Amino acid sequence: AQSVTQPDIHITVSEGASLELRCNYSYGATPYLFWYVQSPGQGLQLLLKYFSGDTLVQGIKGFEAEFKRSQSSFNLRKPSVHWSDAAEYFCALQGNKLTFGGGTRVLVKP
Amino acid sequence: GAVVSQHPSWVICKSGTSVKIECRSLDFQATTMFWYRQFPKQSLMLMATSNEGSKATYEQGVEKDKFLINHASLTLSTLTVTSAHPEDSSFYICSADKGQVPAEAFFGQGTRLTVV
Repeated sequence: AQSVTQPDIHITVSEGASLELRCNYSYGATPYLFWYVQSPGQGLQLLLKYFSGDTLVQGIKGFEAEFKRSQSSFNLRKPSVHWSDAAEYFCALQGNKLTFGGGTRVLVKP
Repeated sequence: GAVVSQHPSWVICKSGTSVKIECRSLDFQATTMFWYRQFPKQSLMLMATSNEGSKATYEQGVEKDKFLINHASLTLSTLTVTSAHPEDSSFYICSADKGQVPAEAFFGQGTRLTVV
């Protein structure tokens, strides 16, 4: 069985502050991991992905994520958040099928 | 690029009628497409996997006769919600991949269905 857990349902961060979104997975084989962002009423946009190689992955919009096999984690980070980063963020694992975490809603305070 | 277009973006229909949602891969051929349902403030739940030229594979608990899926070509899959009821109101999202390993999904923009 495969599963993805995003422990934080909501996160509020001030504009300009750093952001870290947690993602933990459970899968018996090599995980292929993704982070997506969804604005209200929109589809999903891929931020970054990890397939193999360097465990620190750079993505679009200044995001990065680090794969830690020992912790079964794939946390997303951004050093300085912009108001436009307010959205829903989903971590996903491609195993037998694409499985999503429950999502984390990010609110950005001015 | 890899663009997936979903149409319509939103639709309102009356109870008892059927609604068709289209998912097209615009610049690549997609042997496999996926249909998801998303309730407000929730994650995406896979409904079915659509394979070109064959029957769709439905996830447990998804009614095949309610949600008809057709994947007649390598660039088009359709989801028809038959005899729609208010409880079918939801956000439906499709995705497609290029058949590469590992697979990377490309998502449509979603369709907001409201049944009145």
